Amino acid sequence: DAGITQSPRHKVTETGTPVTLRCHQTENHRYMYWYRQDPGHGLRLIHYSYGVKDTDKGEVSDGYSVSRSKTEDFLLTLESATSSQTSVYFCAISESALKKGNQPQHFGDGTRLSIL
Amino acid sequence: QKEVEQNSGPLSVPEGAIASLNCTYSDRGSQSFFWYRQYSGKSPELIMFIYSNGDKEDGRFTAQLNKASQYVSLLIRDSQPSDSATYLCALRISSGSARQLTFGSGTQLTVLP
Repeated sequence: DAGITQSPRHKVTETGTPVTLRCHQTENHRYMYWYRQDPGHGLRLIHYSYGVKDTDKGEVSDGYSVSRSKTEDFLLTLESATSSQTSVYFCAISESALKKGNQPQHFGDGTRLSIL
Repeated sequence: QKEVEQNSGPLSVPEGAIASLNCTYSDRGSQSFFWYRQYSGKSPELIMFIYSNGDKEDGRFTAQLNKASQYVSLLIRDSQPSDSATYLCALRISSGSARQLTFGSGTQLTVLP
């Protein structure tokens, strides 16, 4: 299995509080991604990173920010959590998008976040 | 129109049968197609990927890609109850970043003993 660790695995918090989720990888992969998964919507990309301090927005980035200060860590922050951000959050990594055929993404175990 | 469409199911097949899962996509320039399996409460895990038209086989799994008709399918031969899961189709669309994948909503498969 790809060495991906997400923390925390579960979190319950209140509306308006800041929340930070962490993704840690031991594979030295360049690309890291944050997704959310909701019933009926599948996996939707929030933000991704293509290197240290290099990030870009995905499909559903509003209300989220990210940071990547080290290759191995990718943080997702909800500055002021809302109930609509209750979801399961997955981190994924990919070795490179430049190789022929594009490398697949491998997923962490997920964080179940509930915002009351 | 969604970029990637899958029948949500549930799809039920008897043990030992062939399960056929389909995925259609709207971007004719799409490349790099992936199938993931996701058990309830777990993370998606890669089953296989296909880049070229035709069939690709890996054990009991066969991926079929038809770019002209814009569909990719996954066949599971000799289905087992342990194959019961949600199957996600993903692809890299030509208009997006080379680094992004777009996922379908998944098809729930149940293999009946």
